[in-house]
Order: sequence, then structure tokens, then C-alpha cells
Amino acid sequence: NAGVMQNPRHLVRRRGQEARLRCSPMKGHSHVYWYRQLPEEGLKFMVYLQKENIIDESGMPKERFSAEFPKEGPSILRIQQVVRGDSAAYFCASSEGVSSYEQYFGPGTRLTVT
Amino acid sequence: KNQVEQSPQSLIILEGKNCTLQCNYTVSPFSNLRWYKQDTGRGPVSLTIMTFSENTKSNGRYTATLDADTKQSSLHITASQLSDSASYICVVTSQAGTALIFGKGTTLSVSS
Repeated sequence: NAGVMQNPRHLVRRRGQEARLRCSPMKGHSHVYWYRQLPEEGLKFMVYLQKENIIDESGMPKERFSAEFPKEGPSILRIQQVVRGDSAAYFCASSEGVSSYEQYFGPGTRLTVT
Repeated sequence: KNQVEQSPQSLIILEGKNCTLQCNYTVSPFSNLRWYKQDTGRGPVSLTIMTFSENTKSNGRYTATLDADTKQSSLHITASQLSDSASYICVVTSQAGTALIFGKGTTLSVSS
């Protein structure tokens, strides 16, 4: 029973390039959450998605960031025209339901913008 | 503003000793409180989850307590092991939303 999978584990991008982060939830989970962890900071909620729907994107920056969770395939967090401040660890979590349900975290993708 | 504050920021203890980590929150209305363990370079792993009606919950050597009146929680680790060295994160969910609100964590180092 594989856990939450994220890839790549490490990603290096030059300023101005695009970054695509992938997350495959645990089997049977249809709820996906993305979090960002800046150095020396706690995790910050970005977006919550169910299959084909964005439920809560209150933590997403207004520009350059987007997320999707298609009917088939992994959830994608996309960052366009990356800047140095985007360097962080991005974690994905999945759950069977919301709020009171357990969220299981992936190993994270560490994005470095040079 | 909904906040979760943890103390101490870091802690060093000898193997075999007990320790208690603290969490204060201002999230309201409150739904549940979770403690996670995060090893360096890895994603958080859940230790306990408590609703507002629960006062205590145990998971092996980890025992979490919750006082919803004072908005405080603690995580007690018994007979610490070297593998307990990690960051311990207090996380609160409000009834108003689906987002988890994370504290910055307490970094625990267990030495032999």
C-alpha cells in the first residue's frame, strides 16, 4: 500500500523558468492538499483539491501559481516564471475526507531557484 | 488572526528522559488539534489527532493533552529514544475552513 508519492524530490530551476510538481495521493484518497515550507518556517496551506475541482485556494499566491487534480493522473502544482523567493519545500498530503480526517503527507519536493 | 505558537523552539535531552512540548493556539472556532513528527528532509507523520471534546490521546510513548478552555495542548514523550530526534509540529483545524494551521515546531534532539 504505497503512501503519498511526490516527484521530483529535488528540482532546480533558473529564474523565469516553470516548475511542475507532481503528487499521487494514497490509493482510495480523493482529497489532495498542497503546503509550502520556507526555511525556518512552519508549513503553510496553499490549496485543497478534489478530483477535477479546486475547493479552497485561499493560500495560493494570486499570480504565477496554479494547481489541478485531473480525473486521471496526479495532482500538479505549477509555478510559472519562478523567482528566488519560490525556493522552498512543497508538500502534498491526501485524505479520504476533510477536516477531521487524517492527512497523509508525501516526502516533499525541494525546489531551488538559482 | 488564527495562530499556533509552540514552545520551546528547541530542546536537547538525554536518551531515556521524558519531555513535554507545549502548544498554544488562538484558532476559533476550533475543530481539531493534531501533533505531527517531521524528520529532517521528510514529510510530517501524524502522531495524534484530538477533537475539542477529547482531553488526552496516546500513541505509544507519545501522549497528547488538550485544554480547549485555555486553548493549550501538550505532547509528552516518555523514555525518549535517539530516533525521537525530529521536529514536532502542532496543527490546528478551524471549523470555518479546511486548511490546517501549523505551528513552527519544536526541534527535539535526543543524545546518548
